[in-house]
Amino acid sequence: DTAVSQTPKYLVTQMGNDKSIKCEQNLGHDTMYWYKQDSKKFLKIMFSYNNKELIINETVPNRFSPKSPDKAHLNLHINSLELGDSAVYFCASSQMPGLAPYEQYFGPGTRLTVT
Amino acid sequence: GDSVTQMEGPVTLSEEAFLTINCTYTATGYPSLFWYVQYPGEGLQLLLKATKADDKGSNKGFEATYRKETTSFHLEKGSVQVSDSAVYFCALTGGSQGNLIFGKGTKLSVKP
Repeated sequence: DTAVSQTPKYLVTQMGNDKSIKCEQNLGHDTMYWYKQDSKKFLKIMFSYNNKELIINETVPNRFSPKSPDKAHLNLHINSLELGDSAVYFCASSQMPGLAPYEQYFGPGTRLTVT
Repeated sequence: GDSVTQMEGPVTLSEEAFLTINCTYTATGYPSLFWYVQYPGEGLQLLLKATKADDKGSNKGFEATYRKETTSFHLEKGSVQVSDSAVYFCALTGGSQGNLIFGKGTKLSVKP
């Protein structure tokens, strides 16, 4: 049983296209996140949703728009893709922020390649 | 702001060698500390955690102790195996929103 799943696993697309990445968690968690991992493996938070409400929006271009239809899903839509968007995107989930046990569970990642 | 600094890699060891990966942090308040591991081509898995000073997290032979006085959370293993080859990330929970702040990762390669 996959706890946090993402689709697709690989995504190759051309500059200027619009694409979406989907994430689902079956852990009953209240909070979901998107992280970006660059080519040097550095991981940085992009967005966080708690019970379908946006609570973190780091300095991310507004071409990136998260959507949470319910608390088990957090999708990431990217408009007008650029070469610099090439990265691995990880979805994660946790219980309420600030409450134990704090840890986050990660999906397998989506490797986005923009050509 | 909060930050995590971990030793630069890559680290190459022979099987059964002792492993230490250093991690220090800067944070306001009392963050929880984590080590995550990323095996080649996979997502991140929680390896161990500690939520308060002097706590020791342990899992799969790995250990790390939350040292508030030195703001450190060094990862250790007494005898590494080839299967431990991966990238290891030190992280802390930042701010009130619970997002993780990661170090830059340390790649470990274990040779037979």
